[in-house]
Amino acid sequence: DIQMTQSPASLSASLGETVTIECRASEDIYSNLAWYQQKPGNSPQLLIYDANSLADGVPSRFSGSGSGTQYSLKINSLQSEDVASYFCQQYNNYPPFTFGSGTKLEIK
Amino acid sequence: QVQLKESGPGLVQPSQTLSLTCTVSGFSLTSYNVHWVRQPPGKGLEWMGVIWSGGNTDYNSALKPRLSISRDTSKSQVFLTMNSLQTEDTGIYYCNRNWLGEFDYWGQGVMVTVSS
Repeated sequence: DIQMTQSPASLSASLGETVTIECRASEDIYSNLAWYQQKPGNSPQLLIYDANSLADGVPSRFSGSGSGTQYSLKINSLQSEDVASYFCQQYNNYPPFTFGSGTKLEIK
Repeated sequence: QVQLKESGPGLVQPSQTLSLTCTVSGFSLTSYNVHWVRQPPGKGLEWMGVIWSGGNTDYNSALKPRLSISRDTSKSQVFLTMNSLQTEDTGIYYCNRNWLGEFDYWGQGVMVTVSS
């Protein structure tokens, strides 16, 4: 099984700041990676797919990058509505589909 | 529009069987795969299993002995059955769909508590 190591576990940043969340796969996943946002009390929503493609309706301040085993999610100009947990997921080698452990983002 | 909605009992007794239904609309179960993902309170996401558009299934190896996923395409419903429930099975259960890779639509989730 592919293991997904996500960091940091939690993050506190000020409005307007830029934040980055990292995800490392235990083997090359060839950009078959998605990022999900889960706001408190809600189900996860797709943000990014294929490592760097923005899902429909997602603000352009979100971006994804990476290749091989290392990937990142960047949020520019942090807004209050970005308070959420963020999860990465690989879909290169399955089953199982595996998720990172999540990053909880708060506003400082 | 695409929708998925989970339903089932909120409370299950230890050692009993959980039965959940995912009712979908806006797409065909013969064109998209439907997955089940669960989330213990305050924790991360665990992929449980999938019923592929062709009707085959795959399961998380840790759950495989206890888990079964099936469907009724005429009713646009996918079913999850898991037996021998324990307290660690408490959490929110989501169904979602994919075609090739990412999970693009998720249901609202259903909270399941395992307790006597």
